[in-house]
Amino acid sequence: GAVVSQHPSWVICKSGTSVKIECRSLDFQATTMFWYRQFPKQSLMLMATSNEGSKATYEQGVEKDKFLINHASLTLSTLTVTSAHPEDSSFYICSAEDRLKNTIYFGEGSWLTVV
Amino acid sequence: SQKIEQNSEALNIQEGKTATLTCNYTNYSPAYLQWYRQDPGRGPVFLLLIRENEKEKRKERLKVTFDTTLKQSLFHITASQPADSATYLCALRSNKFYFGSGTKLNVKP
Repeated sequence: GAVVSQHPSWVICKSGTSVKIECRSLDFQATTMFWYRQFPKQSLMLMATSNEGSKATYEQGVEKDKFLINHASLTLSTLTVTSAHPEDSSFYICSAEDRLKNTIYFGEGSWLTVV
Repeated sequence: SQKIEQNSEALNIQEGKTATLTCNYTNYSPAYLQWYRQDPGRGPVFLLLIRENEKEKRKERLKVTFDTTLKQSLFHITASQPADSATYLCALRSNKFYFGSGTKLNVKP
């Protein structure tokens, strides 16, 4: 079964509203989680690295005030897309690192459509 | 920064043949390299991990090689099946995880 759960799997929201996506590690503690976005037929683009108990590290070009990341516990990280616009519509994927196994597990992804 | 290159062109092969996908990287060698499978609209799924001191790793019909001199990893699927059709990503970890853009594999019956 899935070891990383992502919720919701799809969401439609109105332009200007905020949307929160959750990422949970189910069988292990993840001090580090990663958030990606992926456009159709393109590769994963790392947005930020989420560290438990500290501020997230954002990749160049990613607005931290636009994409709020909170990693409040060892099993949960959240991504909030604030004041969403249609260009934010994308497939958002989280992953969590199991350091004991040196493995990254991905969530199933969340489809965001902003109308 | 680290750069990973995978063939962006789709690989089309006949069922039963061996598929070979390539992953090249620049700069310093990572401690380990991973291969993932991604189906459309789904998150990637971990397949295999190979460490820098390992030349080859096998799992059922899958085989991965790691040549730190060439800075290259090869991913093989033997006796390929249409169900193997997907995009395959390689990833390496140095200070953080880097993913290749993936190669799409099409296995035709």
